Amino acid sequence: KAGVTQTPRYLIKTRGQQVTLSCSPISGHRSVSWYQQTPGQGLQFLFEYFSETQRNKGNFPGRFSGRQFSNSRSEMNVSTLELGDSALYLCASSSVDYLTDTQYFGPGTRLTVL
Amino acid sequence: KNQVEQSPQSLIILEGKNCTLQCNYTVSPFSNLRWYKQDTGRGPVSLTIMTFSENTKSNGRYTATLDADTKQSSLHITASQLSDSASYICVVSAGQKLTFGTGTRLTIIP
Repeated sequence: KAGVTQTPRYLIKTRGQQVTLSCSPISGHRSVSWYQQTPGQGLQFLFEYFSETQRNKGNFPGRFSGRQFSNSRSEMNVSTLELGDSALYLCASSSVDYLTDTQYFGPGTRLTVL
Repeated sequence: KNQVEQSPQSLIILEGKNCTLQCNYTVSPFSNLRWYKQDTGRGPVSLTIMTFSENTKSNGRYTATLDADTKQSSLHITASQLSDSASYICVVSAGQKLTFGTGTRLTIIP
C-alpha cells in the first residue's frame, strides 16, 4: 500500500506571496489532517478534513485554509506569507477518525519564506 | 490549560543500552495517548496508541506504559540501536483535540 505523499517537498517563497501544498492520503483513508512543525513551537494542529468537510480547526489565522476533494486528496493554502510561516508542513491520513485511529504522516513540505 | 510535557529534552546513550523517556499530561477528558518516532527530515511514525484501560503496549523493542491516575506515560527502548536516533513525540487526544509534547531528542552513539 502506498504511503502518504506530499508535494512539493521543498518550497521557497517571499513575503506576501501565497502557496498551495498538496497531500494524497493512503488509499481508502478518508480523514486528512494538517500540521505545522517549527523548532520553537513543535507540532501544531492546523485543521482536519473528512469527506470534503472541515471537522476541526486549530488556532491559526484565516490566512491558513484547506480543502479536501472527493478522492480524499487535500490541499492547504497559505496566503500573504509571513517570515514566521517558515516551517515543515505535515499532513497525516487516518481511516476515519484522526483522534482515535492510527495516523500515517507524509514526509512533509519544507516551506521557507524569505 | 491542556499541556503535555516531555523529559528529558535530549538524551545521549551508548548503543546497546536501554533508556526511558517520560511524558506527563494535564489534558482532559482523556481519550488516548500516542508515541511517535520522527527521524530528521521525515514525518512522524506511530509507535503505540494507548487508551485509558491499557497500561502497557509494546512494539518490538519499544514499550510504552500509561498511568492514567498520575497522568504519566513512559516509553522504554530496549537494547538501543543507531537507528533509534530520532525525536520521540508524545501526543494526547482529549475531547476533540490533539495536544503535542515538544519531544525528546535521542542520540545513540556507537
